[in-house]
Amino acid sequence: EAQVTQNPRYLITVTGKKLTVTCSQNMNHEYMSWYRQDPGLGLRQIYYSMNVEVTDKGDVPEGYKVSRKEKRNFPLILESPSPNQTSLYFCASSSQTGTIYEQYFGPGTRLTVT
Amino acid sequence: GEDVEQSLFLSVREGDSSVINCTYTDSSSTYLYWYKQEPGAGLQLLTYIFSNMDMKQDQRLTVLLNKKDKHLSLRIADTQTGDSAIYFCAENRGGGKLIFGQGTELSVKP
Repeated sequence: EAQVTQNPRYLITVTGKKLTVTCSQNMNHEYMSWYRQDPGLGLRQIYYSMNVEVTDKGDVPEGYKVSRKEKRNFPLILESPSPNQTSLYFCASSSQTGTIYEQYFGPGTRLTVT
Repeated sequence: GEDVEQSLFLSVREGDSSVINCTYTDSSSTYLYWYKQEPGAGLQLLTYIFSNMDMKQDQRLTVLLNKKDKHLSLRIADTQTGDSAIYFCAENRGGGKLIFGQGTELSVKP
């Protein structure tokens, strides 16, 4: 089954404790992206990657890191999480057929930083 | 501004038409999209429109694009309770950069 998977689905952590949220897709997509969803703000793009070893900042990259060492995986790293990073995070992937960028979304990771 | 704007809530009765509106900001955006998010789930692409089109119809969905006013709308005909969800418009600013609106929560009452 074609899908985007994220782990963990729920995470409660404390300020400053490094964490990684994994994202994996099995559709051989070149493009992958991370978003955070906050009430009243919609989805905001954190980082995206057009292909292996190519990453770019989205609108809200501060406090986050990503890497794209292989095509299927695009982990999101929070080196020193803070409470303002409490949010619902989505990973998405897309083939680059034309420029349509139909994105397939993962189920989401709900992160709480205390 | 740089934001994609949507109203936050819309309530309709089952069987009525729903119209969800969106204003975007970048006149050079090539594609504009409507995504649907059901409770507890990720987003799914509903439909998209290329910037050189004025209208696109897909079964119960009609997308209207007014490039001059940078206004996008989604009309759902014969709205059903299963259409209750959050609807996001998004614009493709090129190079992988997609900007989403705040989302409109559609509530369909029986």
